[in-house]
Amino acid sequence: DTEVTQTPKHLVMGMTNKKSLKCEQHMGHRAMYWYKQKAKKPPELMFVYSYEKLSINESVPSRFSPECPNSSLLNLHLHALQPEDSALYLCASRPPGGPYEQYFGPGTRLTVT
Amino acid sequence: AQSVTQLDSQVPVFEEAPVELRCNYSSSVSVYLFWYVQYPNQGLQLLLKYLSGSTLVKGINGFEAEFNKSQTSFHLRKPSVHISDTAEYFCAVILIQGAQKLVFGQGTRLTINP
Repeated sequence: DTEVTQTPKHLVMGMTNKKSLKCEQHMGHRAMYWYKQKAKKPPELMFVYSYEKLSINESVPSRFSPECPNSSLLNLHLHALQPEDSALYLCASRPPGGPYEQYFGPGTRLTVT
Repeated sequence: AQSVTQLDSQVPVFEEAPVELRCNYSSSVSVYLFWYVQYPNQGLQLLLKYLSGSTLVKGINGFEAEFNKSQTSFHLRKPSVHISDTAEYFCAVILIQGAQKLVFGQGTRLTINP
């Protein structure tokens, strides 16, 4: 298995809803990432997990809550989002050690109404 | 801090013509360099990477890039493009030491016209 999978592909949620995004990889990668991408912009890093521990939080609002239950799975819990949080959310993973390239999933298109 | 500049936000090209997408970076320490491609409504796919060694690196789909340390550039080239190459292309760097964060350029939209 050489891919990163993300579910759901699309998600529409109201500002009072709670939902979760899921990311999975079975490549033995020990670093996993969440990115947010707005239209016509590069991805912006949100969180990095290394060996299941949160190692980077890019000052993301607390309405986004990441979780890494095991080495293959990464979740992003969403609560009380704002319309400006509508974006493509990308998950990525990286092999342990070098050579540092990240493998991206197809993303979840989130719309907050 | 590192930064990446993609000099062209949009590049229109006719099918079967050559193309060059330009990327310059700034860093006080050594970096690894990458080009990613993003097709509409998809995630990012790694095209190629420069880690060390030969400055000319070949990637998937007929793309290649040349690392120029003195000009801090990593331009992407393809000798003959196809309609299917229409996509957004991102240049990115990562620190060799403590390599956790990719720094992306703003992207170049490559449009192939028939």
